[in-house]
Amino acid sequence: GDQVEQSPSALSLHEGTGSALRCNFTTTMRAVQWFRKNSRGSLINLFYLASGTKENGRLKSAFDSKERYSTLHIRDAQLEDSGTYFCAADMGYKLTFGTGTSLLVDP
Amino acid sequence: EAAVTQSPRNKVAVTGGKVTLSCNQTNNHNNMYWYRQDTGHGLRLIHYSYGAGSTEKGDIPDGYKASRPSQENFSLILELATPSQTSVYFCASGGDRGRNTEVFFGKGTRLTVV
Repeated sequence: GDQVEQSPSALSLHEGTGSALRCNFTTTMRAVQWFRKNSRGSLINLFYLASGTKENGRLKSAFDSKERYSTLHIRDAQLEDSGTYFCAADMGYKLTFGTGTSLLVDP
Repeated sequence: EAAVTQSPRNKVAVTGGKVTLSCNQTNNHNNMYWYRQDTGHGLRLIHYSYGAGSTEKGDIPDGYKASRPSQENFSLILELATPSQTSVYFCASGGDRGRNTEVFFGKGTRLTVV
């Protein structure tokens, strides 16, 4: 079936540093969404990309539909960035989710 | 900002009981979805709908029914709740066919079946 492989599963960053999350897709899809699940359990929309890159503050995402992957870069990480990050492949009629990256930012 | 409202936010149910989770969206989206999210898993699709009167099986529909009586409302029904259905349930709207549109989620319903 359709699969979304998300890595890493867990990530620890010191404040002010950065890193990248990645999702690989086993099939071609039309877009990708990135979400963050905050401490209250809400899913926050970060990006929706049909192609190319988007940037919002300290976050930047890229989607290559031909190579079937997407990345989410976090720079200058802050404590409030902690949470679980999910990518999701837009299959046209549903989103298929990765298993999430648990990010902990410490002082 | 798109608005998706779920109720209740928390629910404790007894095994064998009936549970109805409700969802309302004011985005005028055609598509609506019910997912569940468990530790170690991403969100998994239970049922979805293309519009009023439509319900479709998702990836894990067993033990669940859905109802879409109107454009705005989409319910998830557990006729005979089991402890394995203890989870956090998310409703969403968006992602209309033929157009690239974002999907927006409600705040989730934490269901515990005892």
